[in-house]
Amino acid sequence: AQSVTQPDIHITVSEGASLELRCNYSYGATPYLFWYVQSPGQGLQLLLKYFSGDTLVQGIKGFEAEFKRSQSSFNLRKPSVHWSDAAEYFCAVGPLTGGGNKLTFGTGTQLKVEL
Amino acid sequence: DAGVIQSPRHEVTEMGQEVTLRCKPISGHNSLFWYRQTMMRGLELLIYFNNNVPIDDSGMPEDRFSAKMPNASFSTLKIQPSEPRDSAVYFCASSSHGSNQPQHFGDGTRLSIL
Repeated sequence: AQSVTQPDIHITVSEGASLELRCNYSYGATPYLFWYVQSPGQGLQLLLKYFSGDTLVQGIKGFEAEFKRSQSSFNLRKPSVHWSDAAEYFCAVGPLTGGGNKLTFGTGTQLKVEL
Repeated sequence: DAGVIQSPRHEVTEMGQEVTLRCKPISGHNSLFWYRQTMMRGLELLIYFNNNVPIDDSGMPEDRFSAKMPNASFSTLKIQPSEPRDSAVYFCASSSHGSNQPQHFGDGTRLSIL
């Protein structure tokens, strides 16, 4: 069965510093991968997605993620964090063939930004 | 474009009462998902529908929970009778059909059972 691991429950960075949030997946084939962000009191918003092709994908709000098959990873990065990026971030992996578009979510990483 | 619309945003009720959560998916989307989010268990998929038909309800905690999708533009999640441990934020999400289609989430219903 597929699974997603986000090893960092909490991360604190200073505003202006670079950010990398880790995501590792377990999957039998090339997965569909997503990153979502959740601000307090709101639902999850899609940041970016990977299906195939270029392994470096660009998303909204200046985020990018790189798919590395050899490491089963899909880490999220941002070169310079803004205070408004403080939120919870979820990595998700797409389903097996025939599984519709059901996703498996990681447990999330809470990002705190220090001013 | 209107996103996924959930109502109510907040619900506080006493245990034993029936609770009904509502969701209007994005027009044209034919997959709909109900999730529950708690601090202890994170984000859990309860049930999802394709073309108004329930496909996977293995996440529904017990018979007190039921979900319906009478048409493409409306779904309900009902808890009867409610219990304090049902307190959580419940999210509805919708997507176009297809494995590579992202899910779009509503803002959730914060449910408190006293």
